[in-house]
Amino acid sequence: DVKVTQSSRYLVKRTGEKVFLECVQDMDHENMFWYRQDPGLGLRLIYFSYDVKMKEKGDIPEGYSVSREKKERFSLILESASTNQTSMYLCASRPGTGWFYGYTFGSGTRLTVV
Amino acid sequence: KNEVEQSPQNLTAQEGEFITINCSYSVGISALHWLQQHPGGGIVSLFMLSSGKKKHGRLIATINIQEKHSSLHITASHPRDSAVYICAVASVDDKIIFGKGTRLHILP
Repeated sequence: DVKVTQSSRYLVKRTGEKVFLECVQDMDHENMFWYRQDPGLGLRLIYFSYDVKMKEKGDIPEGYSVSREKKERFSLILESASTNQTSMYLCASRPGTGWFYGYTFGSGTRLTVV
Repeated sequence: KNEVEQSPQNLTAQEGEFITINCSYSVGISALHWLQQHPGGGIVSLFMLSSGKKKHGRLIATINIQEKHSSLHITASHPRDSAVYICAVASVDDKIIFGKGTRLHILP
């Protein structure tokens, strides 16, 4: 089975800190995604990447950046964490571009910014 | 108006009951996904549908493309089915749009 691993399940950071959320997948998937999930809002796309070194903004990229230096790893960076970035962050991957591919999700990282 | 609407938002039922969760959407789609999220956060893909009906164990998913509607059914529900169920549609331009989820609680 494809595995998508997020480095931390729970994280507490201080306002203004630079935060790195790591996501690694082990099945050579081309596409990777970062979402945040908030009560009443569902999942919202932050950034995605269709290939190594490529990145595209999603619906809510402000305050975030990403890095994809290797195919298996997609990092989400909060340049200066703020309390409104307290949320559940979910990484996902899929084999390639196209509606017929299913997604595999990680277990999520619950980030609290204090 | 949200592009993907789920109902109900919350559902509590007794063990053994037949459960139905509904999803309506307003955009053209290539496929529809049903996802399950247990407490703790991880999301598991249950079904991907582009037409008709799929069954896996006690779970059944149906889709009516003309009516832009899908249902997820759980037969003989069990407390371990307690989770958030999320409907997501893959639009024709390869964007995935999520519903807000249905929180299901099955009482023993």
